[in-house]
Amino acid sequence: QQQVKQSPQSLIVQKGGISIINCAYENTAFDYFPWYQQFPGKGPALLIAIRPDVSEKKEGRFTISFNKSAKQFSLHIMDSQPGDSATYFCAARVGTSGSRLTFGEGTQLTVNP
Amino acid sequence: DSGVTQTPKHLITATGQRVTLRCSPRSGDLSVYWYQQSLDQGLQFLIQYYNGEERAKGNILERFSAQQFPDLHSELNLSSLELGDSALYFCASSVRGRETQYFGPGTRLLVL
Repeated sequence: QQQVKQSPQSLIVQKGGISIINCAYENTAFDYFPWYQQFPGKGPALLIAIRPDVSEKKEGRFTISFNKSAKQFSLHIMDSQPGDSATYFCAARVGTSGSRLTFGEGTQLTVNP
Repeated sequence: DSGVTQTPKHLITATGQRVTLRCSPRSGDLSVYWYQQSLDQGLQFLIQYYNGEERAKGNILERFSAQQFPDLHSELNLSSLELGDSALYFCASSVRGRETQYFGPGTRLLVL
């Protein structure tokens, strides 16, 4: 099963708050989990990525938490800013079947000033 | 700017027609990927080329085909277009095959 399930579909937070987006997968062969950020009219851009041998990765205000046993991973955006308002996609890749990315459904984040 | 370029930016055509979308990868990248983004299907992988050869195939319709040329640019050909083919088509590139994929700005296709 190649699906990646993402929630919530949309999220509204206040400036300075924490945004949390969750993803779940079934295929245990996935070996790379990136998060992409997409602004209207633009292509997705890599935000942060994690491999399953690490439980957490932090880059600035962005943190990925990874739970291998639960087959879940999440993106936390600390001190959310209006400029973070965008659509966020989680994704996963099976290394042995080429490099295709399987994307979640996307989360539209709005950060109110 | 990711360094990946796509042309045209917008394309409006009629059902039954054929169009070609073009992608130039980042300098030095050998792999090119095509993705389709639609409201009901989300972002779906279509096909990957590596140094001119097809490497992986996803949910690509038989009416669609792609190729990668010796200068590494790629073209996605969509034929016998249907209303449901209206979508954003993204090209991405990476150095070889397992590194970060950098996405272009996309081509918005509208089939009327």
